[in-house]
Amino acid sequence: EVQLVESGGGLVQPGRSLRLSCAASGFTFDDYAMHWVRQPPGKGLEWVSGISWNSGSIDYADSVKGRFTISRDNAKNSLYLQMNSLRAEDTALYYCAKDSTGNTVTSDGMDVWGQGTTVTVSS
Amino acid sequence: QPVLTQSSSASASLGSSVKLTCTLSNGHSTYIIAWHQQQPGKAPRYLMKLEGGGNYNKGSGVPDRFSGSSSGADRYLTISNLQSEDEADYYCETWDSNTRVFGGGTKLTVL
Repeated sequence: EVQLVESGGGLVQPGRSLRLSCAASGFTFDDYAMHWVRQPPGKGLEWVSGISWNSGSIDYADSVKGRFTISRDNAKNSLYLQMNSLRAEDTALYYCAKDSTGNTVTSDGMDVWGQGTTVTVSS
Repeated sequence: QPVLTQSSSASASLGSSVKLTCTLSNGHSTYIIAWHQQQPGKAPRYLMKLEGGGNYNKGSGVPDRFSGSSSGADRYLTISNLQSEDEADYYCETWDSNTRVFGGGTKLTVL
């Protein structure tokens, strides 16, 4: 069974850091690009960041550029999101999603989603 | 970068059909999109990839009731024989050289 399991969310004060993880199973992880997508409470989906199969291409939404860092460890079938200088507006449910291809440029869409991990930024 | 526009809400009766629309911004009318379904309290689920010419490829396990079509900059998701479990938010997604974009989502109510 193809599965993505996120972890690492929690309550954090503004300005602090948090690291999210996503454990992948049931597919050949290093064949596919991966993404982080977030959903603020009661709102729609917002793409955060994407990384190609070999980490050769990495992209960020303008809202997180310079504060968040995406990475992957293909030997561990894991995806990460290092979030620094957190703000109240980063409060959201964070999803890990598998791309349908190995790169972030051509795609058929994000075809597998995890259940998400909640990040709350508040003092 | 492309912008995707969706109506905020739609409704249809149990057993009927509904057609949801996702419109690509000017200059992006040929873009491929994907449709996703998010049932209440659940993670999104990939439904299909939809090309500008109307060809679509559904994800694993997506019922035959779901289909896609296109006209110009508009991308459609049609759900036939509506079931109660189809009540959900539906999002379209597209991509450009270094970004991914989601539409604002359409909340579908099954009456």
